[in-house]
Amino acid sequence: GEDVEQSLFLSVREGDSSVINCTYTDSSSTYLYWYKQEPGAGLQLLTYIFSNMDMKQDQRLTVLLNKKDKHLSLRIADTQTGDSAIYFCAESRAPDTGRRALTFGSGTRLQVQP
Amino acid sequence: EAQVTQNPRYLITVTGKKLTVTCSQNMNHEYMSWYRQDPGLGLRQIYYSMNVEVTDKGDVPEGYKVSRKEKRNFPLILESPSPNQTSLYFCASSSRGYTEAFFGQGTRLTVV
Repeated sequence: GEDVEQSLFLSVREGDSSVINCTYTDSSSTYLYWYKQEPGAGLQLLTYIFSNMDMKQDQRLTVLLNKKDKHLSLRIADTQTGDSAIYFCAESRAPDTGRRALTFGSGTRLQVQP
Repeated sequence: EAQVTQNPRYLITVTGKKLTVTCSQNMNHEYMSWYRQDPGLGLRQIYYSMNVEVTDKGDVPEGYKVSRKEKRNFPLILESPSPNQTSLYFCASSSRGYTEAFFGQGTRLTVV
């Protein structure tokens, strides 16, 4: 079955770059997402990447995808205290390859120290 | 404003007392789903619906029911809640199941 794994915790200093890593097992994954969850809030989509892309950049966010190793990373440049949150990696498949759902990792808690 | 609205946000109930958590979206999305979030386990899908009157089980459907009588609403029903259903629940909607999902604010349920 499909599985998505992330490390549980990351601590960085304000102004540094943060890199959150994710691995997945489903080779038919078509879309890969990064969601952010702030305390007491729902999940907010940060960015996503199609499986035929290697990289996507959106302001301070850079997503790298190594499809061969099934490895996804999210880099946050110039990390701010407001970036402190839980970050979830998620994958989904196009509808003709199976049940339509997002499979989430367990989340990485990012702590940004001033 | 595009929204997914869940109610209530917090609920404490006793074992066996039926409850319903409501979910409503204003984006005319076809696909809606329910997830539960537990520490260390991420989000797991409970049920999903691809359109009105079309629902199916997710990864952890035991002890839950859903209905989709209208496109905008997708209530989650616990006929006889048990303590192992204590969790944080999220409703989500998307135009298609594999595209960007919009999440509600969550419902924290405690069953004692």
